[in-house]
Amino acid sequence: GEDVEQSLFLSVREGDSSVINCTYTDSSSTYLYWYKQEPGAGLQLLTYIFSNMDMKQDQRLTVLLNKKDKHLSLRIADTQTGDSAIYFCAVHSGGSQGNLIFGKGTKLSVKP
Amino acid sequence: EADIYQTPRYLVIGTGKKITLECSQTMGHDKMYWYQQDPGMELHLIHYSYGVNSTEKGDLSSESTVSRIRTEHFPLTLESARPSHTSQYLCASSEYGPKRAGGELFFGEGSRLTVL
Repeated sequence: GEDVEQSLFLSVREGDSSVINCTYTDSSSTYLYWYKQEPGAGLQLLTYIFSNMDMKQDQRLTVLLNKKDKHLSLRIADTQTGDSAIYFCAVHSGGSQGNLIFGKGTKLSVKP
Repeated sequence: EADIYQTPRYLVIGTGKKITLECSQTMGHDKMYWYQQDPGMELHLIHYSYGVNSTEKGDLSSESTVSRIRTEHFPLTLESARPSHTSQYLCASSEYGPKRAGGELFFGEGSRLTVL
């Protein structure tokens, strides 16, 4: 089945850029997602990228997709303390509907 | 802001009790999901439904059961809770499912279950 891997922790200083990486095994995913989870809350969609794109930028967020290497990354520019959260990479499984498969999540800590 | 609600937010119960976690959404979404989240953060799909009277088991085997009698309601039941069921349970819904544009999942805030 689909496997999605992320590093578990990332620590950066306020104002620096954060880069969270994700690798996956099944290349058939049409859309690839980044979700954010703040403490004590559910997940919230941060951004997504269509599989025929290499890059998508949305304000401070940049998503890069390397389909050949099955590698997805999320860059957060000018990281703020409010960005401290867990970030999940997600791709959908095969089949007619495809359910989301999540990585283990990367806990981002932002130090002032 | 997503209109999907889970109750209770926190529950502490003894072994052997029957519990039902409620999930309701007001967006008219056909697709609903239950994920179990480990203390170590990983999410596992345990149940999903693509519409009324449709339920399927997810990737992670679970002793819980679900029902979908109404579009807006997707409750999860544990007949006899055990300490191994201690976890956070997240409910989600989607209009189109993740394979289509606009198919994002909207999540509730979760139900944190502790079984003593």
